[in-house]
Amino acid sequence: AQSVTQLGSHVSVSEGALVLLRCNYSSSVPPYLFWYVQYPNQGLQLLLKYTSAATLVKGINGFEAEFKKSETSFHLTKPSAHMSDAAEYFCAVTTGTASKLTFGTGTRLQVTL
Amino acid sequence: KAGVTQTPRYLIKTRGQQVTLSCSPISGHRSVSWYQQTPGQGLQFLFEYFSETQRNKGNFPGRFSGRQFSNSRSEMNVSTLELGDSALYLCASSLFSGPQETQYFGPGTRLLVL
Repeated sequence: AQSVTQLGSHVSVSEGALVLLRCNYSSSVPPYLFWYVQYPNQGLQLLLKYTSAATLVKGINGFEAEFKKSETSFHLTKPSAHMSDAAEYFCAVTTGTASKLTFGTGTRLQVTL
Repeated sequence: KAGVTQTPRYLIKTRGQQVTLSCSPISGHRSVSWYQQTPGQGLQFLFEYFSETQRNKGNFPGRFSGRQFSNSRSEMNVSTLELGDSALYLCASSLFSGPQETQYFGPGTRLLVL
């Protein structure tokens, strides 16, 4: 069975500071990994995905994530936070032949002035 | 291209009733998946349909069912509603079915069961 763990349900950063949201996965087979963002009262928007082509994945809005097999991690980073980044972020994994996304519990990012 | 659309956006029902939610995928997408989002359980997979066939099913009771039509539009039905069914129901579509496929989400239907 596959799973993801997101460390930290709430993260607060100052505007302009580095954003680091942590995600660790568990999978017995090579995983596909995704980061989604959810703004209040909206659905999920894909930020980026890892499909084994490259370990460093660049996404939208300046976000990127690095797949580290030895650490079973896929942390999301952004060099400089913006107020508009305040939202909830979900890490997700799929494996095998299924489209089924297994989500982490989410991290709410707060950006302060 | 228009995104994934879900109707209705908001719904209030009472215990014991049934409800049908609708999802129209992005044009050309053939796979539709449904997810339930609650504060307590987070985001959980309900089922996936591809070419009118259910490909995967999550760990939900039989009261939750779905179907997909030949135009890829999908509906999900919940019978005998319980208070715990109050949630945001999200639909996602992708071109094909598979773990590497990007799923595009709709805005969701917020269901409140009283």
